[in-house]
Amino acid sequence: DIQMTQSPSSLSTSVGDRVTITCRASQNINNYLSWHQHKPGKAPKVLIYATSDLQSGVPSRFSGSGSGTDFTLTISNLQPEDFATYYCQQTYSVPITFGQGTRLEIK
Amino acid sequence: EVQLLESGGGLVEPGGSLRLSCAASGLTFYNYAMSWVRQAPGKGLEWVSTISSNGGTTYYAASVKGRFTISRDNSNNTLYMQMNSLRAEDTAIYYCAKTGINLVQGVDDFDFWGQGTLVTVSS
Repeated sequence: DIQMTQSPSSLSTSVGDRVTITCRASQNINNYLSWHQHKPGKAPKVLIYATSDLQSGVPSRFSGSGSGTDFTLTISNLQPEDFATYYCQQTYSVPITFGQGTRLEIK
Repeated sequence: EVQLLESGGGLVEPGGSLRLSCAASGLTFYNYAMSWVRQAPGKGLEWVSTISSNGGTTYYAASVKGRFTISRDNSNNTLYMQMNSLRAEDTAIYYCAKTGINLVQGVDDFDFWGQGTLVTVSS
């Protein structure tokens, strides 16, 4: 199974900040990497797929990059509605696996 | 507008069974693979199962293989998960997710999630 390791596990940030979350795969997954946002009691939301493609309707302050085993989600100019937990997900092979999550908290 | 509405969750005793449903609207359901993902209390997301668009191919996590069965009714735009021999560790919110058109070796991108249904396994 492919292990996905996110860092940090939590981050205390402020509105307006630029945030970077990293995700490392235990083997090469090419660009088969997605990012999801999840708020308590809500449906998760797809932000980015194929490493860097923005899902329709997602603000442009979200961006993704990377290749091979190392990937990054960047949120520029953090907004109040962005405080949530973020998960990376590999869709390279079954079993599909997620990172353990990064919780963004208000400083 | 795409909508996925899960139902069927509830409290069940260890060893019991439950069937979850996911009613889809706003999409051409039979074109898409579909998946189930769960989140145990205080834990992260865990993929459970994926089914191809025509229902002919299914994939399972090792933790549920042999106990859970994914299926779909394309005439009624509904996805199912039959859960048997339930264990305490199956306690979670179960989400359905619209998966891609081009399922290859069981994988494609997710592009929409439902709000989930809570399953509690306890005596």
